[in-house]
Amino acid sequence: QKEVEQNSGPLSVPEGAIASLNCTYSDRVSQSFFWYRQYSGKSPELIMSIYSNGDKEDGRFTAQLNKASQYVSLLIRDSQPSDSATYLCAVNRNTGFQKLVFGTGTRLLVSP
Amino acid sequence: EPEVTQTPSHQVTQMGQEVILRCVPISNHLYFYWYRQILGQKVEFLVSFYNNEISEKSEIFDDQFSVERPDGSNFTLKIRSTKLEDSAMYFCASGQESTDTQYFGPGTRLTVL
Repeated sequence: QKEVEQNSGPLSVPEGAIASLNCTYSDRVSQSFFWYRQYSGKSPELIMSIYSNGDKEDGRFTAQLNKASQYVSLLIRDSQPSDSATYLCAVNRNTGFQKLVFGTGTRLLVSP
Repeated sequence: EPEVTQTPSHQVTQMGQEVILRCVPISNHLYFYWYRQILGQKVEFLVSFYNNEISEKSEIFDDQFSVERPDGSNFTLKIRSTKLEDSAMYFCASGQESTDTQYFGPGTRLTVL
């Protein structure tokens, strides 16, 4: 079982729509969850972090965490062509293990 | 806004040669990391560094790899004898706390011929 799983996509949405990106993780002691955006050939850029169950909103982005289901998601409202990128889910165990474990990423394509 | 910087942006080397990749973490950060990403694959953890010593390393980080903080600002990754399979993007990251957000540098693309 992969530690962090994401659908590789591509997820195609029209401009202005809501994009929904999902991630599941296997390690129940995971405590910190991050969404990064990565454009082709570039480094991961932080979008959101979430630590508690529930929703966290930041502008057009909403992260949702359900620790019981070991599931974290990212919603992008009013999607723009500039949102087209690969979205990486990353998990940190917060128990002295400092490494981020990344999923393979979901490629998002927003068409004008 | 402070950011992590890395040099060089692209390094080409011959198999068996030593390379040093350099990073300047964000100035008030205490935790430093190296990750790599082979083309088309996921970002993989290599090593974390705190208080002048390695705090955790992955299976990838074998005896050919070493890290150092030679002064108050730089953080380096050395690969002693490069192999073809070391070709990848290498990202440096830093964070204020061990469980905090990690901010990534722009990366160094290493090509081993």
